[in-house]
Amino acid sequence: AQSVTQPDIHITVSEGASLELRCNYSYGATPYLFWYVQSPGQGLQLLLKYFSGDTLVQGIKGFEAEFKRSQSSFNLRKPSVHWSDAAEYFCAVGPLSGGYNKLIFGAGTRLAVHP
Amino acid sequence: DAGVIQSPRHEVTEMGQEVTLRCKPISGHNSLFWYRQTMMRGLELLIYFNNNVPIDDSGMPEDRFSAKMPNASFSTLKIQPSEPRDSAVYFCASSLREGGSYEQYFGPGTRLTVT
Repeated sequence: AQSVTQPDIHITVSEGASLELRCNYSYGATPYLFWYVQSPGQGLQLLLKYFSGDTLVQGIKGFEAEFKRSQSSFNLRKPSVHWSDAAEYFCAVGPLSGGYNKLIFGAGTRLAVHP
Repeated sequence: DAGVIQSPRHEVTEMGQEVTLRCKPISGHNSLFWYRQTMMRGLELLIYFNNNVPIDDSGMPEDRFSAKMPNASFSTLKIQPSEPRDSAVYFCASSLREGGSYEQYFGPGTRLTVT
């Protein structure tokens, strides 16, 4: 079955520290992978996506993610976290069978940033 | 582009009343998704449309919920009668099926409170 697991529910880092958010997926073929960010009171915003090619993808706000097929992972990273990065982060995989644009979302990781 | 537009942004209603949430997808997108987000259950897909046709409504919780997409630029999610447990943030998202992109673009959400 297709699924997405974000093992960390909450993560706290200090401002300026590096960040890595984990995402593991189960998918029968080469997946399309996404990271979204949700700031308080806002909708989900696309940070980056992986379809094919270079397994290290760059996104907005200084984020990057690396696709590792052997580990079924797509972890999100940022070298230096800013206080404004405090938000909830969702990993998603798709498309699901049937040929439509349905995605499966992980449960999310809530990031807190200490000054 | 204005992005996905949802209205109202906030809705407070009494139990038993009818509630209608509205969504305007991004122009040119042909897939539309309705999600519900709560602290307890996270992000849930309620229903999605492709080319204005409902494809999968298995996530709709009860017969009290209904959704329509009369044309490519407008969709509604209706709850009748509303109950306190329907209190949540409801998101609409749109996507372009062709081109192999698959990413979904979310609106700002409607925060529904049923008293």
